[in-house]
Amino acid sequence: GENVEQHPSTLSVQEGDSAVIKCTYSDSASNYFPWYKQELGKRPQLIIDIRSNVGEKKDQRIAVTLNKTAKHFSLHITETQPEDSAVYFCAALPFNFNKFYFGSGTKLNVKP
Amino acid sequence: EAQVTQNPRYLITVTGKKLTVTCSQNMNHEYMSWYRQDPGLGLRQIYYSMNVEVTDKGDVPEGYKVSRKEKRNFPLILESPSPNQTSLYFCASSPISEGTDPYEQYFGPGTRLTVT
Repeated sequence: GENVEQHPSTLSVQEGDSAVIKCTYSDSASNYFPWYKQELGKRPQLIIDIRSNVGEKKDQRIAVTLNKTAKHFSLHITETQPEDSAVYFCAALPFNFNKFYFGSGTKLNVKP
Repeated sequence: EAQVTQNPRYLITVTGKKLTVTCSQNMNHEYMSWYRQDPGLGLRQIYYSMNVEVTDKGDVPEGYKVSRKEKRNFPLILESPSPNQTSLYFCASSPISEGTDPYEQYFGPGTRLTVT
């Protein structure tokens, strides 16, 4: 099955700086890669996703890049704000759409 | 309001006492799933269902059962809970019908289970 690894496990940045979280996956058949944000005590919520036929996707301060050859994808947050502080999870979904495989999470702390 | 609901939100129980955590969605989604979340391990899939009467194991199915008799409901059953099932549980649903984004998962609010 698929294996998703996520790094770093914790990330501390100064407000206004950029943050990058990286994930690697093992199954070349995976074709959908979502990123979820989970605030303390809350449910995970989708913030951005990318499909395997796209190399990059951007939504305001958030972007995701995908390198299919190297089998890794990254979340980029620019101009970080304290409200970006949360745990971020990456995930991969094989093309036959059954199991979602999640990374272990990155705790992002944005210092004011 | 489109939502996924879970009940109960908090549960403390004892080893061996059967329990059921309910999950319901009002979005007519085909796909439903259960996850457990433990520190440092992220979200691990327990069971999923592609549609009514169609269920399959995720990565950590041992000790759990599910059923999908109706499209909107997907209960998680612990026949004989043990302390290692103490965790935060999330139900999620996703549409897979043609014409909609088939992949976004909508999560319920979570159920914090403690087994003593």
